[in-house]
Parts: sequence; C-alpha cells; structure tokens
Amino acid sequence: RKEVEQDPGPFNVPEGATVAFNCTYSNSASQSFFWYRQDCRKEPKLLMSVYSSGNEDGRFTAQLNRASQYISLLIRDSKLSDSATYLCVVNGADSWGKLQFGAGTQVVVTP
Amino acid sequence: NAGVMQNPRHLVRRRGQEARLRCSPMKGHSHVYWYRQLPEEGLKFMVYLQKENIIDESGMPKERFSAEFPKEGPSILRIQQVVRGDSAAYFCASSPPSRLGGLNTGELFFGEGSRLTVL
Repeated sequence: RKEVEQDPGPFNVPEGATVAFNCTYSNSASQSFFWYRQDCRKEPKLLMSVYSSGNEDGRFTAQLNRASQYISLLIRDSKLSDSATYLCVVNGADSWGKLQFGAGTQVVVTP
Repeated sequence: NAGVMQNPRHLVRRRGQEARLRCSPMKGHSHVYWYRQLPEEGLKFMVYLQKENIIDESGMPKERFSAEFPKEGPSILRIQQVVRGDSAAYFCASSPPSRLGGLNTGELFFGEGSRLTVL
C-alpha cells in the first residue's frame, strides 16, 4: 500500500464551480500535512499547510481527519489558473524532514 | 534573491555513462533534499542532506547512486552507469534550519528540476 494515496483525476470543473478531493495516508503517526501544487513539468510549490482544526486560505479550504486518516482540499469559485496537479504531502513523525508525496490529483478548470 | 538553482536542466546520457546533477539551495538554507519523479508518478524521496552530512538516505537505491553536500559548493547527485530506468525528473529542494529540534516544518522550496534522459 502506498503511504499517500490520491485519486489521479482528472477532475473537470467549470469555471466558477467548486471542486473537492481527498487524500489518504497510511502512517497514523504522521504529524504534518500539506497541499502542494504542481503545474505541468514544473516544480511543486507549497499551496497550504493543513491544520487539525481545518484552515482556509482565500478560495482554498483544507481539512484533516486523523481518525480516518484523510486530508481534503476544496476549491471554491474555480479559476482557469487553478488548473494544475495537487499533491498531498505528509511528514512522518520520525522522518527528520522527509516528506511523502502523493501522486497528485489533476484538476482541469474549463471556461 | 535566487531560488533553488539546479543544473543542468536537461541531461542526455547513454547507458553506462555517469550523470551528475547539481543543486544550490536558497540563500540561508542549510537542508537539501533530492526527489525523483518518474513520468505519471509522484515525487519519491531519495536523500536528505545538511552540509557535509547525509541525514537520511533511505530513498536512495543501494547501488550506483550517491549524494553529497560539501562545505563549499552545491549539492551533487551522482548516478553511475546509468540505465534507461533512471530517466526521470530529479528535483532538489531546500529548507531553512529547523526550529523544532530537527522536524521540518514542511515548506520545501523546489528547484525547476533536472530532466535526465538515458538513451
């Protein structure tokens, strides 16, 4: 079983709509959780950290469910520029900085 | 204010040759990480280094791969006797010194990657 699993998509989303997707992780001792964004053939960039209480950054909302070991990302009022691959990232408790990346969920926002 | 610099951006090697990928972290960053991304796959951790120290190399193949981060100069990922399966994008990332006794806060700053093609 992969340490971090994501639905690869693609999620085809009309501009202005809302899209949400999850990621599951296998290591129950994981302490830190993040969403990164990767545009085609570019480097990943941090989108937002995911806190236990859930957090929002503009049109983006992240949630963490430790009991079920999943993380979610919701994008409201989708823009064309939101088209990208969203990477779920988990930092294990003893990993000394090693991050585990999911394979990514592709989102395609259409006009 | 340069970000993480990787070179070369593209490298073509024939089977059996050596590949050397270089990474200069962001200014003030003392932690360097190497990740490999195969086509249609996620990033796979390879190695985590600080200056002159390998902290975690659990993701490195046991043979042909090595990494270093010398006191002076960039970090280098070296692949000896390359095979076709080594073709991938190799991303380097850096982070500032940790504030919490060694645990990374999670924000890595990535370079644009080095794309290795083995013929």
